[in-house]
Amino acid sequence: AQSVTQPDIHITVSEGASLELRCNYSYGATPYLFWYVQSPGQGLQLLLKYFSGDTLVQGIKGFEAEFKRSQSSFNLRKPSVHWSDAAEYFCAVGPMNTGFQKLVFGTGTRLLVSP
Amino acid sequence: GAGVSQSPSNKVTEKGKDVELRCDPISGHTALYWYRQSLGQGLEFLIYFQGNSAPDKSGLPSDRFSAERTGGSVSTLTIQRTQQEDSAVYLCASSLEGSGNQPQHFGDGTRLSIL
Repeated sequence: AQSVTQPDIHITVSEGASLELRCNYSYGATPYLFWYVQSPGQGLQLLLKYFSGDTLVQGIKGFEAEFKRSQSSFNLRKPSVHWSDAAEYFCAVGPMNTGFQKLVFGTGTRLLVSP
Repeated sequence: GAGVSQSPSNKVTEKGKDVELRCDPISGHTALYWYRQSLGQGLEFLIYFQGNSAPDKSGLPSDRFSAERTGGSVSTLTIQRTQQEDSAVYLCASSLEGSGNQPQHFGDGTRLSIL
């Protein structure tokens, strides 16, 4: 069965410091990969996606993620965190070979930003 | 509209009552998805619509849950005889089409509380 693991429930980062959020997946083949962000009381906003090609993907708000097939990982990074980045982050996978995108989500990582 | 619109934003009801949740997708999006976000289970896929038909309703947790979509646009998720375990945030998403490389755009959700 497909699964996504986000091992860190909470992460606290100082403003201006770098950030890395971990995501590992279990899947029968290389899936489509996504990172979403959720602010309190709001829906999910797509940060970036990986479908194929270059394994380093650039997203919105200065985020990037690197797909590593050998490690089944898709970690999210940002070189310098801003206070407004405090939110919950979800990694998700979707099947490449079916006709639609049935996403499987990780349990999320809550990012706290300290001054 | 500009984004996916869900109503109501909050719903409090007594156990045993029926509830209807509404989703208005982005104009022109043919694919529509319902997810449930709860503390114990994280984000779970419920059902997918392509146009007015639902090729995959495998995530609906019981026969108390049903959904329909009319005119290829608005969708309603109905929960009959609500139980306390139905308390969750119900998220709707839409995409341009159902293929895997079309990102899903999420609404802000309906927070359902069963007393």
